[in-house]
Amino acid sequence: DVVMTQTPVSLSVSLGGQVSISCRSSQSLVHNNGNTYLSWYLQKPGQSPQLLIYKVSNRFSGISDRFSGSGSGTDFTLKISRVEPDDLGVYYCGQGTQYPWTFGGGTKLELK
Amino acid sequence: EVQLQQSGPEVGRPGSSVKISCKASGYTFTDYVMNWVKQSPGQGLEWIGWIDPEYGSTDYAEKFKKKATLTADTSSNTAYIQLSSLTSEDTATYFCARGNNYRFDYWGQGVMVTVSS
Repeated sequence: DVVMTQTPVSLSVSLGGQVSISCRSSQSLVHNNGNTYLSWYLQKPGQSPQLLIYKVSNRFSGISDRFSGSGSGTDFTLKISRVEPDDLGVYYCGQGTQYPWTFGGGTKLELK
Repeated sequence: EVQLQQSGPEVGRPGSSVKISCKASGYTFTDYVMNWVKQSPGQGLEWIGWIDPEYGSTDYAEKFKKKATLTADTSSNTAYIQLSSLTSEDTATYFCARGNNYRFDYWGQGVMVTVSS
């Protein structure tokens, strides 16, 4: 199975600040078809996860441009700029390149 | 608007089975696979498997092949997961999530399953 490792496990940020979350995979996430199926999800407290970013850098419908994804191969980053209260929660990266689909352990974003 | 409405919380005795539903609306049910994801208390996310409602075909993560059975009813646009031979390790929240090009784009609200005697 592809192991997804997220760092840091938790992150404190001031409102209006910027943060980066790293996600590394144990194998390349480049699919045979040339696409890289790396997604980012946010799980707000008491809610189900929601899709933020797909295929490394594509924002899902309705997602603010304060969220940006980058990376390639095995190394990926989610950046959040101008952090707002509604951004708090646990962020997960997930891969859809190889079965079984797997997720990182999560990064909890809290207010400083 | 795409919505996935899941059934209510379940309590199951050790060794028994439970069946959870996920009713889809706002899109053509047979156009997308439906995935199921497990979240143990205070833990991360585990993909269980998916079902293609149009053909009934399924795929499971190896560790869930003997635990979960996925089905779908196209007449009611509802997907189901049955969990069998329940143990304390099955206590978790179970989400359905629409699969779209190798991503989970819409999620149900989750169902808490508690295994207790």
